[in-house]
Amino acid sequence: DQQVKQNSPSLSVQEGRISILNCDYTNSMFDYFLWYKKYPAEGPTFLISISSIKDKNEDGRFTVFLNKSAKHLSLHIVPSQPGDSAVYFCAARLSNSGYALNFGKGTSLLVTP
Amino acid sequence: DGGITQSPKYLFRKEGQNVTLSCEQNLNHDAMYWYRQDPGQGLRLIYYSQIVNDFQKGDIAEGYSVSREKKESFPLTVTSAQKNPTAFYLCASSGLAGWELFFGEGSRLTVL
Repeated sequence: DQQVKQNSPSLSVQEGRISILNCDYTNSMFDYFLWYKKYPAEGPTFLISISSIKDKNEDGRFTVFLNKSAKHLSLHIVPSQPGDSAVYFCAARLSNSGYALNFGKGTSLLVTP
Repeated sequence: DGGITQSPKYLFRKEGQNVTLSCEQNLNHDAMYWYRQDPGQGLRLIYYSQIVNDFQKGDIAEGYSVSREKKESFPLTVTSAQKNPTAFYLCASSGLAGWELFFGEGSRLTVL
């Protein structure tokens, strides 16, 4: 049962434009959400996170928006750069499950010059 | 440098053999995790451990075993009971004060 869903397996964006990656979740008990970036044959690296008590968090070119009523979050990358091409995983943490994260299936972002 | 080291990076196994994947961290993190990634799938949790000598099953623990005898080490054994062991395995750790998981480089296991 997939509790964190990334319904777009891939996304292609031109360099300089905005990339918007979406994530939906089903469990209202998730209290923390994270985005990870992953290159092939490497481990994921942490990108940005947001607590469930906030609706926006910004870090440089990356902004995460959380809409709790819709159980939806999105990652905005502005402006997109070719080096941003990677797989992006959305992850969520249950408040009473230790620190284990539930991951979505990922969205492969390709930023073209 | 602080980090998580997984070994081996690539491993081939014959059917019916057990294999153990190593995961060592020098970040002084209390919690450690094993995830599995298959093509087109997200990361699925196999086992996790919040403290030494204690661990819990994740979503897909069947056919796997772990131990946590030392804070720095969390080896994963893929047993012959695991029906589809070919996958990319990721180890991670986190401190109790933070929410972020730090991942190793991964180990790719192929069963021949």
